[in-house]
Amino acid sequence: NAGVTQTPKFRILKIGQSMTLQCAQDMNHNYMYWYRQDPGMGLKLIYYSVGAGITDKGEVPNGYNVSRSTTEDFPLRLELAAPSQTSVYFCASRLGLARSYNEQFFGPGTRLTVL
Amino acid sequence: DAKTTQPTSMDCAEGRAANLPCNHSTISGNEYVYWYRQIHSQGPQYIIHGLKNNETNEMASLIITEDRKSSTLILPHATLRDTAVYYCIVRVNNAGNMLTFGGGTRLMVKP
Repeated sequence: NAGVTQTPKFRILKIGQSMTLQCAQDMNHNYMYWYRQDPGMGLKLIYYSVGAGITDKGEVPNGYNVSRSTTEDFPLRLELAAPSQTSVYFCASRLGLARSYNEQFFGPGTRLTVL
Repeated sequence: DAKTTQPTSMDCAEGRAANLPCNHSTISGNEYVYWYRQIHSQGPQYIIHGLKNNETNEMASLIITEDRKSSTLILPHATLRDTAVYYCIVRVNNAGNMLTFGGGTRLMVKP
């Protein structure tokens, strides 16, 4: 299994540009998450999904959109990039809620700079 | 969510046990204690979690006090590759189980 994969690894955007951060997992996990991590800070949840076709807002959803058309993919869309969105973005997945499925697996991250 | 308090940094000699404390005095009865770590420039990695009982897996042991107000993560034989920031998180187990990481403890394993 490749686990959780994210593309691209790095990206520089100009203010106002749009882009999609890709996230895919091959573990047949039901739950998927998008976090951002600002320099020297902890993680903040942007959006999450409990299954295909179902998404919900996290702590900091403004400026972002998501979709979950398949179990495997959970892309994050930035429509009008702003400098405040400069961050490292992590995608994560989890099988379910049962105690034995509690672990969240994280991707390697996408480093985004908005200038 | 219950807040957690961890020391900012700790050192440990290679091959010795690393004991990382976490205080969570306002923890609720249905909240779990999770531990994750983040090695520089990588995504967070799950280590272990527990509710009441002590837990052990191939990576670490988790000791939770009887009143559940504090816990200790134990890495039994620390290696240089265990140098990372360790996060203690207290959360209920639900669908929006976001991991809001605080400051964490920066563990430096030294030769």
